[in-house]
Amino acid sequence: GAGVSQSPRYKVAKRGQDVALRCDPISGHVSLFWYQQALGQGPEFLTYFQNEAQLDKSGLPSDRFFAERPEGSVSTLKIQRTQQEDSAVYLCASSLRGPSGNTIYFGEGSWLTVV
Amino acid sequence: QQQVKQSPQSLIVQKGGISIINCAYENTAFDYFPWYQQFPGKGPALLIAIRPDVSEKKEGRFTISFNKSAKQFSLHIMDSQPGDSATYFCAASKAAGNKLTFGGGTRVLVKP
Repeated sequence: GAGVSQSPRYKVAKRGQDVALRCDPISGHVSLFWYQQALGQGPEFLTYFQNEAQLDKSGLPSDRFFAERPEGSVSTLKIQRTQQEDSAVYLCASSLRGPSGNTIYFGEGSWLTVV
Repeated sequence: QQQVKQSPQSLIVQKGGISIINCAYENTAFDYFPWYQQFPGKGPALLIAIRPDVSEKKEGRFTISFNKSAKQFSLHIMDSQPGDSATYFCAASKAAGNKLTFGGGTRVLVKP
């Protein structure tokens, strides 16, 4: 596809349920980012991959959050034992190269509601 | 710790008017300052970006002004149009392509 694709677009989870959010970056993009955007707030960084290597996971809020990108393309963000405060839009973004001057393109997000 | 502060939170402007959004940052290691536009239900999209070696950058109706000594930068939207109604986010990073630190956003409404 032409852009960053995320699925599912909308997910309602019961508290305590595990969820998995998928991101298909733009083809050939080396860098992949996950951000969390609470309602009415700016996106907040969660984690960063360069190819399959997770180089920065400093923004993951707890050990319930886990991300992977095993083959350096598709990435999955997994949230275990979801809690109400996890309700947010999870944005995936990608860029062509590593940190050397490239535009970061965002997907439309996965809207997670925990009830 | 809010490293990028954005104001105002919301803004109403008449069609043809000028929208001005301000941001201030704390981390002097930041070296790249983009602005993103976000429509409801969509992801943020890059609008315009600046590096601190220039004081102003203009692309069409959008201008970034940058004041390195004050650690402030602003977005000016000239001749605002109803289609510009969106939420605007300033951001900063240590280099283009690095992780972004976003401001809190400004909801802009352009009245016809």
